[in-house]
Parts: sequence; structure tokens; C-alpha cells
Amino acid sequence: RKEVEQDPGPFNVPEGATVAFNCTYSNSASQSFFWYRQDCRKEPKLLMSVYSSGNEDGRFTAQLNRASQYISLLIRDSKLSDSATYLCVVTHTGNQFYFGTGTSLTVIP
Amino acid sequence: EAGVVQSPRYKIIEKKQPVAFWCNPISGHNTLYWYLQNLGQGPELLIRYENEEAVDDSQLPKDRFSAERLKGVDSTLKIQPAELGDSAVYLCASSLGILAGGFDEQFFGPGTRLTVL
Repeated sequence: RKEVEQDPGPFNVPEGATVAFNCTYSNSASQSFFWYRQDCRKEPKLLMSVYSSGNEDGRFTAQLNRASQYISLLIRDSKLSDSATYLCVVTHTGNQFYFGTGTSLTVIP
Repeated sequence: EAGVVQSPRYKIIEKKQPVAFWCNPISGHNTLYWYLQNLGQGPELLIRYENEEAVDDSQLPKDRFSAERLKGVDSTLKIQPAELGDSAVYLCASSLGILAGGFDEQFFGPGTRLTVL
């Protein structure tokens, strides 16, 4: 079983729409959780960390559900510039990072 | 401040040839990672260094891949001999590691896109 599983999409949504991605992880001892963004032919970059209490950064909201072992990312009022691949990342002890396959998002004018 | 630097950005070689990639992490970052990323997939860890020590190389195909991080700074990843299936993007990342004291963000370099013909 993979450490991190994501729906690869693609998600094609119109501008202004709200879109949500989910990600599940297999190790209940996972410690830290992140969403990274990767533009086409570019390197991944941190979008936001995911805290147990949930956190929001502008139009982006991340949630963590430890009991069900999933994290989510909600994007409100989608912009064309949000088009990218969103990678779910989970860490274990000792700086072991595990990446999901990524979810592709295209925001359509 | 300079980010993670990698070279070359692109490399095209014939199968059975050797190839090497170089990475210079962000200054002060103790932890260095080499990842392989295939199209449509997330990065997959090849090796992780804490300073100059390789602490996780369980996914590194040791029959053909080797890596080193001399003096705990720059790192090189080598493939010898390369196979067709090695065509991918090789990403280097660095982080503060244990110095982060909490959430440890990884910073990625631009990657080396390898094509094996």
C-alpha cells in the first residue's frame, strides 16, 4: 500500500469555482502534513502546512483528519493562476517525506 | 538568498553511458535529498543525507546509482551505466532538518531532466 494516495484528476473547473482535493495516508504515526504546488516543468514549492486544527491562507484552506487519516485542500474563487499539480506530502520521524502522485488542476476561463 | 542549485538542467545520453548530477543546497541546510520524478508521478526519494551521512538510501538502486555528499555541503548523484528506464527528472532538495524545531520545509532545485536514448 502506498504511503500517500491522491486522486490524480484532472480537475477542470471554471474561474471562480470552489474545488477540493483529498489525500489519504497509511501510517497513523505520520507527524507532519503539507500541500506542495508544482507548475508544469517546474520544481515543487510549499503551498501550506496542514495543522491539526485546520488552517487558512487567503483562498486556501487545509484540513487534517487524523482519525480517518486524510488531509484536504479547498480552493475558493479559483483563479487561472491556480492551474498546477497539487502534491500531498506526509512526514514520518527523521525527516522522511512521502509525496503523493499529485492532483492536476486546470482552471478554465 | 540563492536557492538550491542543480546542474546540468538537461542531459541527453545514450544507454550504457555514465552520467552525473550536481546539487548545491541552501546554505546552512543540514538535510539533502535526491528524488526521482517521472511524468505524472510525485517525487520518489532516492537518498537522504543528514550532513555528510546517508541516513536513508533504501530506494537507491545501488547496482548502478551512487551518491556522495562531501563535507556535508554539495552532493553528486551518479548513474553508471544508464538505462532507458532512467529517463526522468532528478530533483535535489534541502531542508534545515533537525534545526527546524518543528515543521521542516523542503526547498527544491529546478531539477535535471535526463533523457536516455
